[in-house]
Amino acid sequence: DIVMTQSPDSLAVSLGERATINCKSSQTVLYSSNNNPYLAWYQQKPGQPPKLLIYWASTRESGVPDRFSGSGSGTDFTLTISSLQAEDVAVYYCQQYYGTPRMYTFGQGTKLEIK
Amino acid sequence: QVQLQQWGAGLLKPSETLSLTCAVYGGSLTGHYWSWMRQSPGKGLEWIGEINHSGGTNYNPSLKSRLTMSVDTSKNQFSLNLSFVNAADTAVYYCARVRLKAMDVWGQGTAVAVSS
Repeated sequence: DIVMTQSPDSLAVSLGERATINCKSSQTVLYSSNNNPYLAWYQQKPGQPPKLLIYWASTRESGVPDRFSGSGSGTDFTLTISSLQAEDVAVYYCQQYYGTPRMYTFGQGTKLEIK
Repeated sequence: QVQLQQWGAGLLKPSETLSLTCAVYGGSLTGHYWSWMRQSPGKGLEWIGEINHSGGTNYNPSLKSRLTMSVDTSKNQFSLNLSFVNAADTAVYYCARVRLKAMDVWGQGTAVAVSS
């Protein structure tokens, strides 16, 4: 089984500062035919479903503020919030797609709080 | 704008069958896979399986023996049945649309508890 491991499990950052969350896959993430890794990031606030922030490791979903960015390749990926806002307090998850068999795996989540 | 609305029984006894339905509004089932996930404190987010408009399915191997997914194109709905539930199946269940191998639209979630 493919395992996605996020670090840290929790993170406290001051308003306006940078927040960085890491995601490591136990196997190389599958790539699309246009050479984009199938790695997504989600934000989940209490009592709400997860919200897609980034797909293909670095492409922001429509409407997502540009302070959110994603990077990485192969087995190591990063979500960065360039200047933390109060509304960014949430749990963040990475997710990868594995094609054989076709299935999806999530990281365990990183809880982001204000310092 | 596509929206998903889901419903189903929230309290089950062990060995009963969990049944959930997700309706798609503002869009068609065609052209996408439609997934189910669940979230419990002990296991985080877990992908359960997916189905497309023609009934093609892919299931999480760990749940495959108890899973059945179906689609009703006339109602623009898809459904999940999980048989022989136990306490470990207690979770919040979500439906979602799959786009570019990510879940871009989610239902509101249904809390399911299994207890005798």
